[in-house]
Amino acid sequence: NAGVTQTPKFQVLKTGQSMTLQCAQDMNHNSMYWYRQDPGMGLRLIYYSASEGTTDKGEVPNGYNVSRLNKREFSLRLESAAPSQTSVYFCASQEGYGNTIYFGEGSWLTVV
Amino acid sequence: KQEVTQIPAALSVPEGENLVLNCSFTDSAIYNLQWFRQDPGKGLTSLLLIQSSQREQTSGRLNASLDKSSGRSTLYIAASQPGDSATYLCAVSLNTGNQFYFGTGTSLTVIP
Repeated sequence: NAGVTQTPKFQVLKTGQSMTLQCAQDMNHNSMYWYRQDPGMGLRLIYYSASEGTTDKGEVPNGYNVSRLNKREFSLRLESAAPSQTSVYFCASQEGYGNTIYFGEGSWLTVV
Repeated sequence: KQEVTQIPAALSVPEGENLVLNCSFTDSAIYNLQWFRQDPGKGLTSLLLIQSSQREQTSGRLNASLDKSSGRSTLYIAASQPGDSATYLCAVSLNTGNQFYFGTGTSLTVIP
């Protein structure tokens, strides 16, 4: 009964370091998303993948890259972390546009 | 761009009280609207999904209504319990595009 699984849950990075957030879903969903949540700003979409093999930019894509490795997995990469990327990151999946969206538990990232 | 507003930002009520949470959006050309619950340090859990053609949805003590023409949705919680304490977020998806637009949420505290 895993749903959407994100790793790692917590990470501290130094400015300029790189890292990848991993996300996997076991519901055979077509669409996957990466959001960031910041105090007072709600959730903002970073990137999404409407189906395996496709990715598109969301509202705040700068400084991030994504890979839809297969239907199950969607990773988010920070190539050169900046303090402004300190946030909580959520992966989500959806069977198709307009269906219920399911979220992972979140990844807390601090860039110092 | 779709703007989603939730007022109030925080609400505190005694146990047993019925309450209403509000969500307003600027673009009425929505595909659907979802209400979510978020517990501290956790991901979002979908509570109710209302399609644009529907007026309301019910699940247990929760009832969500949608008035597309006025750009408003309400989440009604009956007979509130301390376990209902959480942040409640609404999110709308548009007829075009492929993302949800989130409000910043209402933090609800139910006092025993």
